[in-house]
Amino acid sequence: DAKTTQPPSMDCAEGRAANLPCNHSTISGNEYVYWYRQIHSQGPQYIIHGLKNNETNEMASLIITEDRKSSTLILPHATLRDTAVYYCIVRSTGTASKLTFGTGTRLQVTL
Amino acid sequence: EPEVTQTPSHQVTQMGQEVILRCVPISNHLYFYWYRQILGQKVEFLVSFYNNEISEKSEIFDDQFSVERPDGSNFTLKIRSTKLEDSAMYFCASERSGTNYGYTFGSGTRLTVV
Repeated sequence: DAKTTQPPSMDCAEGRAANLPCNHSTISGNEYVYWYRQIHSQGPQYIIHGLKNNETNEMASLIITEDRKSSTLILPHATLRDTAVYYCIVRSTGTASKLTFGTGTRLQVTL
Repeated sequence: EPEVTQTPSHQVTQMGQEVILRCVPISNHLYFYWYRQILGQKVEFLVSFYNNEISEKSEIFDDQFSVERPDGSNFTLKIRSTKLEDSAMYFCASERSGTNYGYTFGSGTRLTVV
């Protein structure tokens, strides 16, 4: 089972920042937080991941709390193309470790 | 940007028939995966593959399933005798190394068993 809890849906106005929360209170010290998204029935798309430090890339920022029990994915300027299901996934280290997907957050970006 | 390529995009097969789903991972990636998603349900892990052998498999990946990397570039998933409940999107993914990078998923093969 997924070790994360996410709200089932969120709305965001285009051009605004989308802040997607995730709880992972049982995360272990060697587990990473990954974020993926899935647009329609396409293959999931990697967004970002982190261990304990905040991370930023060209797509998004990831803020992880100091106790690592929760995180927030930030899309700084959401566009209509960011409408998707966003998955927060806790992944263990190790060779070829799997991703366990939950139900994610359906983000709807509106005009 | 490098892509994971899956063929065919859609396959229809009769129950009991064998199917082979094909994937071409990104060339310098070392880890390979198959996932599936039944319509309206979660994405589910099937199997991971590294160094020419299975690293981990799920309960779904029973004796009817097998994987192969026959020629160093392709990565295939075979279902020996398909059932109606095998109808799903099947996603192949590859990864450059353990947990320091994210997976790249292909666009999927929609398998319909009739």
